[in-house]
Amino acid sequence: AQSVTQLDSQVPVFEEAPVELRCNYSSSVSVYLFWYVQYPNQGLQLLLKYLSGSTLVKGINGFEAEFNKSQTSFHLRKPSVHISDTAEYFCAVRETGFQKLVFGTGTRLLVSP
Amino acid sequence: DAGVIQSPRHEVTEMGQEVTLRCKPISGHNSLFWYRQTMMRGLELLIYFNNNVPIDDSGMPEDRFSAKMPNASFSTLKIQPSEPRDSAVYFCASTADTDTQYFGPGTRLTVL
Repeated sequence: AQSVTQLDSQVPVFEEAPVELRCNYSSSVSVYLFWYVQYPNQGLQLLLKYLSGSTLVKGINGFEAEFNKSQTSFHLRKPSVHISDTAEYFCAVRETGFQKLVFGTGTRLLVSP
Repeated sequence: DAGVIQSPRHEVTEMGQEVTLRCKPISGHNSLFWYRQTMMRGLELLIYFNNNVPIDDSGMPEDRFSAKMPNASFSTLKIQPSEPRDSAVYFCASTADTDTQYFGPGTRLTVL
């Protein structure tokens, strides 16, 4: 069965600084990978996804992530964060051929001025 | 499209009462998922349907929980009787057999 690990429960960062949110997964088969964002009191919104092809994936709001198969990682990055990026970020994995998404425990990004 | 619609947005009830949460998936989507989110356990998949048929209900906590999808545009999650430990935010999501699940705004349930 697949699993997702988000080691950082909280990441504080100053506005305009770069940020990386880490995600590692475990699966015995090929997978699809996703990052979702959850703003306070809202549902989850898709940031970006990796299905196949280029390992560098660009998403909304200036975020990008790189799929590294050898390290089974899918870290999320942004070169310069804004106050409005303060939210909870979830990494998720889905095994190809299945519909079930498995989520990590989330990383709270706190951007301060 | 209005997106996934959930009702009510907030529900406060007393222990022992029946609670029914409702979800309308995005039109044309054929898979529907119910999740529960708590501080302690994070985001958990409770059950999902494909073409109105329950496929995996292994995440349903116990017999007090039940879910139905009588047609392609409506699903319910029922808790009977409710307990304080059921307090959580319940999300519904839908997908059209593609890769992306679209989430509703959630129902915040408080059981006193």
